[in-house]
Amino acid sequence: QVQLQESGPGLVKPSETLSLTCTVSGSSISSYYWSWIRQPPGKGLEWVGYIYSSGSTNYNPSLKSRVTISVDTSKNHLSLNLTSVTAADTAIYYCARGRGGSHYWGQGTLVTVSS
Amino acid sequence: ETVLTQSPGTLSLSPGERATLSCRASQSVDSSYLAWYQQIPGQAPRLLIYGASNRATGIPDRFSGSGSGTDFTLTISRLEPEDFAVYYCQQYGGSPPCSFGQGTKLEI
Repeated sequence: QVQLQESGPGLVKPSETLSLTCTVSGSSISSYYWSWIRQPPGKGLEWVGYIYSSGSTNYNPSLKSRVTISVDTSKNHLSLNLTSVTAADTAIYYCARGRGGSHYWGQGTLVTVSS
Repeated sequence: ETVLTQSPGTLSLSPGERATLSCRASQSVDSSYLAWYQQIPGQAPRLLIYGASNRATGIPDRFSGSGSGTDFTLTISRLEPEDFAVYYCQQYGGSPPCSFGQGTKLEI
């Protein structure tokens, strides 16, 4: 079955870069869109961006200047980099297959921005 | 920019009752790109409906979606105890390329 697993540091200092990886099993990265979505504690879902397996991307305009999403088809994973983080970037970060209407999601990983 | 507004913010009902949740878009959304999710605290969102009215795999038929243009509805015909959760609508065919509503909390 398709499984997605987010991984990365749970604590990032303000002004530094948040880096996460989503490892995909049971599905090839190829020929699909892959999304990152985040959820601040106690709040709603916020779309971060998505990437097609070819490498083309689309980002949330409010984050566009700080976000990079990439894929590594050889490792069957995708990555998220968010630069110059602040406390407002504290959230559970999810990866999901598809650019919407996503059936497959990771369990999410909490990233806290704090010194 | 397409903004999705869900109403009500909180809906208080009892098991066995019917729930009607609304998602209104600030501009027309292609119904092919409108989805609904259920989120139980501590869990990832679960896809219920895609293409405005298509149930996802394994979703009970008490869940149904309808609507077009700017008005979409998720209906739960007879509430079960496990249905009390937060529900989100999502559009992924407009500008920005993807966005979520703020959520409706369905509580007992």
